[in-house]
Amino acid sequence: DTEVTQTPKHLVMGMTNKKSLKCEQHMGHRAMYWYKQKAKKPPELMFVYSYEKLSINESVPSRFSPECPNSSLLNLHLHALQPEDSALYLCASSQDLGQGHQPQHFGDGTRLSIL
Amino acid sequence: AQTVTQSQPEMSVQEAETVTLSCTYDTSENNYYLFWYKQPPSRQMILVIRQEAYKQQNATENRFSVNFQKAAKSFSLKISDSQLGDTAMYFCAFTLTWDNFNKFYFGSGTKLNVKP
Repeated sequence: DTEVTQTPKHLVMGMTNKKSLKCEQHMGHRAMYWYKQKAKKPPELMFVYSYEKLSINESVPSRFSPECPNSSLLNLHLHALQPEDSALYLCASSQDLGQGHQPQHFGDGTRLSIL
Repeated sequence: AQTVTQSQPEMSVQEAETVTLSCTYDTSENNYYLFWYKQPPSRQMILVIRQEAYKQQNATENRFSVNFQKAAKSFSLKISDSQLGDTAMYFCAFTLTWDNFNKFYFGSGTKLNVKP
């Protein structure tokens, strides 16, 4: 069983739709991450949150809008996406930032398809 | 710049046999941590093993062990007694000790097929 829960598991949306991806963890981790992963490629970092504040935005287009309502929840709001945004979106968490040895715990991902 | 290279896009191994996945990396930093993650078809990235760069002793975790050669910047993963459940994409990665944001640098992955 995964300790990082992502919903929904699959999402199909049109380019004009607005949808949100949700990520939840109850391990007490204070750092949370969004990754985008294309088929047969490694995950690409999008955003990093630490203590509910955005720490890293890897030059992600504004049609992706992250939100961290509390230390257990991380959302990714989607609007006006493009077909090339179709990918697996992974959420991860780690105990804290500032210590590079900490592994990240990943969720199962949301498979997103843009029509 | 930090880079990770996995030169084997795909490998196959018979069940119960041993297989080694290669990984080389490049960094000018001296303090870092190395990881192997597996991603089965179920999609979740699962931590397999972790190695501190300042430790000379190779990490082991049950059937998984690493051969860490710091001078050569090599970090290979050995899987003993391969099982069908080991079929997955394997990613090598590292983080820098001083990195306040715990950023992971991933390799391109090796797809491992364990055959019955």
